[in-house]
Formats: sequence, structure tokens, C-alpha cells
Amino acid sequence: DGGITQSPKYLFRKEGQNVTLSCEQNLNHDAMYWYRQDPGQGLRLIYYSQIVNDFQKGDIAEGYSVSREKKESFPLTVTSAQKNPTAFYLCASRRTADGDYEQYFGPGTRLTVT
Amino acid sequence: AQSVTQPDIHITVSEGASLELRCNYSYGATPYLFWYVQSPGQGLQLLLKYFSGDTLVQGIKGFEAEFKRSQSSFNLRKPSVHWSDAAEYFCAVGARSSNTGKLIFGQGTTLQVKP
Repeated sequence: DGGITQSPKYLFRKEGQNVTLSCEQNLNHDAMYWYRQDPGQGLRLIYYSQIVNDFQKGDIAEGYSVSREKKESFPLTVTSAQKNPTAFYLCASRRTADGDYEQYFGPGTRLTVT
Repeated sequence: AQSVTQPDIHITVSEGASLELRCNYSYGATPYLFWYVQSPGQGLQLLLKYFSGDTLVQGIKGFEAEFKRSQSSFNLRKPSVHWSDAAEYFCAVGARSSNTGKLIFGQGTTLQVKP
């Protein structure tokens, strides 16, 4: 079955440590997205990538970094510069052909930093 | 700038009752419109989408939504709610003029279903 996997489901880190969240898709989608979800705030875009080796900042990119070395993978690193990293992180992908705007979401990773 | 407003943060309905979740958007032209549903601790699942054509859109799980250009709204409806519909619902818009596929999400509406 095609889909998006995010691992791990729960992640705990100490303050000051960088942490990398995994996102893999086997849908053959070109575009991938990272969102942050906080209670009552909906989803906010962190970074997105439309093709391999290229990515753009979203609305809240500060304190985060990404890479897109393979079409299937779009890992997100939460750095120690992110002031409030505890949140639920969602990865999504989209087929760019025919102007399709539907995004498919992974199950999410809940990050807790103490 | 685009924006999406879901005026109701929390809604409670009785099982079997009808449901309407409101979504208003601000955009200079007709956007792409979506409704997603999220169960606790899970990812988002697409319920339905509007790109063009018939303004009444049918989705999965018995949901439908109506695009009203004059009111800049895309309200989600279901004639009879089931207990399994309890979840958080998000409205989202995308700009036709952009090829980035970026979506703007509303704050979400939490639906509670009373037995």
C-alpha cells in the first residue's frame, strides 16, 4: 500500500539537543511539506519542497532545517534554536501533475522537549 | 493575503442529529477548497475538495460541502451524525495562481457527539 510514514510516533528530547524527524513516502509524489500543529492553531507550514535538492521556507521556518536528497524522503531537523519545539509535527506530500492540490498526510510525530 | 476562519472552535451534537461546520475564507479569487478530518493523535484525512464545477461537493463518510462564492464560504454538512464522527475538522484553501500547492488551514473545529 502506498502512503506516508513518519517515525517515531513519539519523541522525547532534552532542551538544547537537535532532533531529526523522519518522513518517507512511496506515492511517487514530487512535493512534500512539513507542518507544525499546536492546540487551537491549526496547521502551520514549516518547510516545503517541490523537487529533489530544492526546498523553501514556510511561515515558521526559524529553528528548523530540512533536506531533500531523495524524492521519497524529507527529514526535518528541529534545532536547539527553536524556542518552543514541543508540538505535533505532520508531514504531507502532493502529486504535482495536473495541478493537483490535494495533500496526503502521514500519521504525525509528537515531539516533547523538556 | 489568504486566510481561513472556522468560527466554531467546539461543537457538540447528538448522535443522529444534523451537522454543519462553518468555513469562511478570504481570497481575491476562487481558491481550491478542502475539508480534512483528524482523529486524536493521527494524521489528516481528506473528506472532500472543491476545484471547479458543481458547487455542492460530495465526500466520504456521508459528508458534503457547498461552495458559496457570494459568501466566501465552504460549509461542511452531514444529515445524520454518528458517534464515530467525533474528531477535529479542518478547512483549508489553496491559491489557484500558485504552483507551490501551499494550503492555508483554519484553526479547526472539534466535534463532540453525544449519545
